[in-house]
Amino acid sequence: GAGVSQSPSNKVTEKGKDVELRCDPISGHTALYWYRQSLGQGLEFLIYFQGNSAPDKSGLPSDRFSAERTGGSVSTLTIQRTQQEDSAVYLCASSLDRGRSSPLHFGNGTRLTVT
Amino acid sequence: KQEVTQIPAALSVPEGENLVLNCSFTDSAIYNLQWFRQDPGKGLTSLLLIQSSQREQTSGRLNASLDKSSGRSTLYIAASQPGDSATYLCAVRGSSSGSARQLTFGSGTQLTVLP
Repeated sequence: GAGVSQSPSNKVTEKGKDVELRCDPISGHTALYWYRQSLGQGLEFLIYFQGNSAPDKSGLPSDRFSAERTGGSVSTLTIQRTQQEDSAVYLCASSLDRGRSSPLHFGNGTRLTVT
Repeated sequence: KQEVTQIPAALSVPEGENLVLNCSFTDSAIYNLQWFRQDPGKGLTSLLLIQSSQREQTSGRLNASLDKSSGRSTLYIAASQPGDSATYLCAVRGSSSGSARQLTFGSGTQLTVLP
């Protein structure tokens, strides 16, 4: 596709269940980011993948959060044993690289609601 | 740690007015600064990216300036239209090895252009 694709667009889950969120970056983009946006808050960095380098996981809020990127393309963000405070919009972005002239392109996000 | 502030948090103007949105950041060691718009329920759309060596970028009715030494950027919107109503976010990418992997976002300015 032409842009970053995220699925599902909406997810409602019960507290304690695991969820998987998917991101398809723009073809050829080597850098992939996950951000979280809570109601009325700014964007919170979660994790960054660049090519085959080890991911920067410094933004993951707890060990219940993990992410992987298979084949340098599709990424999955997994939240285990979801809590109500995990409710937020999870945004994925990709860029050509982390160089000076590479803007980020965002998907429309997955709105996660934990009941 | 980089901090990005956007003032005002919300702004309402009549159609046709020229307006300025402000963004300030605490660490001037940046690679670039990017302005985005976010429509309700959507992801972020990149508007302009200014490299650290540049002072301004223009796209249509939008002009973004950067004063790295003072830690400030402005987004100027000329002849505002109701379709410009959205939340505008600025984000900086750091130039140090630890901060270059992610963007730090401001919390945004919610703009409403009244017809």
